[in-house]
Amino acid sequence: GENVEQHPSTLSVQEGDSAVIKCTYSDSASNYFPWYKQELGKGPQLIIDIRSNVGEKKDQRIAVTLNKTAKHFSLHITETQPEDSAVYFCAASKDKVSNTGKLIFGQGTTLQVKP
Amino acid sequence: DTAVSQTPKYLVTQMGNDKSIKCEQNLGHDTMYWYKQDSKKFLKIMFSYNNKELIINETVPNRFSPKSPDKAHLNLHINSLELGDSAVYFCASSPGWQANEKLFFGSGTQLSVL
Repeated sequence: GENVEQHPSTLSVQEGDSAVIKCTYSDSASNYFPWYKQELGKGPQLIIDIRSNVGEKKDQRIAVTLNKTAKHFSLHITETQPEDSAVYFCAASKDKVSNTGKLIFGQGTTLQVKP
Repeated sequence: DTAVSQTPKYLVTQMGNDKSIKCEQNLGHDTMYWYKQDSKKFLKIMFSYNNKELIINETVPNRFSPKSPDKAHLNLHINSLELGDSAVYFCASSPGWQANEKLFFGSGTQLSVL
């Protein structure tokens, strides 16, 4: 089955710096790659996603890149702010026509943005 | 209005007890899920229901039994609680059953088994 590895497990940056979180996946048939942000005491929330027919997607200060050949994708946060501090999860799944799909999550990255 | 609400938020109980966690979504979604988040923050799917029908049933002990009385509700009953059941349990929903759909999570139920 699919396996998603996420690095680093913790990341500390100064406010205003950039943060990069990387994930690799094992199933080459995977074609959907979302990123979720989990703030303290809350459930994860989707912040951005990318599909396999796209190499990069950007939404304001966050961007995601996908390299299907290498089977890895990354989250980039620019101009980090203290409110970006949270746990970030990458995930991967593949569409199934006649069966249900499953979203497999990475292990999570705890991002701390120091003011 | 809370989109996905689960109760209780905290649950502290003794080993061997039976407990339930309730979940409701008001988004009109067809699919609901239970996820378990362990102490290392790892998120793993347990069950998924689509229109009250069980569609994903991961390798979870038989002591865990989900029930969906209608598509807006998915409850989780746990029998004979064990220390290893301590975790945060998240309910989630999505519009449909495809794996490429956005998940909407509740705020979690922190279960502590003593």
